[in-house]
Amino acid sequence: GAGVSQSPRYKVAKRGQDVALRCDPISGHVSLFWYQQALGQGPEFLTYFQNEAQLDKSGLPSDRFFAERPEGSVSTLKIQRTQQEDSAVYLCASSSLAGGGTDTQYFGPGTRLTVL
Amino acid sequence: QQQVKQSPQSLIVQKGGISIINCAYENTAFDYFPWYQQFPGKGPALLIAIRPDVSEKKEGRFTISFNKSAKQFSLHIMDSQPGDSATYFCAASSPSNYQLIWGAGTKLIIKP
Repeated sequence: GAGVSQSPRYKVAKRGQDVALRCDPISGHVSLFWYQQALGQGPEFLTYFQNEAQLDKSGLPSDRFFAERPEGSVSTLKIQRTQQEDSAVYLCASSSLAGGGTDTQYFGPGTRLTVL
Repeated sequence: QQQVKQSPQSLIVQKGGISIINCAYENTAFDYFPWYQQFPGKGPALLIAIRPDVSEKKEGRFTISFNKSAKQFSLHIMDSQPGDSATYFCAASSPSNYQLIWGAGTKLIIKP
C-alpha cells in the first residue's frame, strides 16, 4: 500500500475488555514501531520489531500489553483487561532499514482507544 | 537524561511571519534530530531532520538550526502560512537505541 494503515481507527472498550489493534506497515519495511500518544502529549515508545523479531519491548507499560509480528509484516498490539488509563491514541510506524530510531519513520493515522 | 524539552507549548504567529520552536536535550549520545508535523486526526509526518555534523539544514521554508555545544536545536518556519497550523514535535535518537525520544509538542496557529 501507499502508506501505513491502522485499524480500527476508533475503538471504545468497557473496562476489563481485551482489545486488538492492527498495523499494516509499508510493504517491505523491516522496522516497525508502536507508540502511545496521550492527549496533548508527544508519542511514547512502546515496542520495536525488526522483521518478526521483537527486539525492544521496554516501553510496554504492563504485562497486559502484548505485541506480535509473526510473519514480519502485519503487527497486532493486544491489550488485555483494559483500564481507563489505557485510553490514548496508539500509533504504528514503519521504516525501511533495520536498526531503529535514526531512519525515517512513517506513521499511520493511529487508533484512538477509549476505555469507559 | 533521556528527555527532550520543547518550548513553547503553543505559539500564535501572523501570516507571513517567522515561527520558531526550540528544543533542548541532555544525552550527548543523540545523533539524529527530526522534526515531525502532526495535523488533528493524523499520524506525525517527518518534516526535516538533522545530524550533529552540520549546524543548519534548510528545506524550502523550513530550517533546523543546531547548536551542539549548547545541546539545543530549533525549527524556523519562514513566511508562515495558515496551512502550517499544526502540532510540531522535535525528537532525538541515538545509534544504540531503537527509540525516538519526543518533545511534548508545540501547537502552532498561523493567523491569516
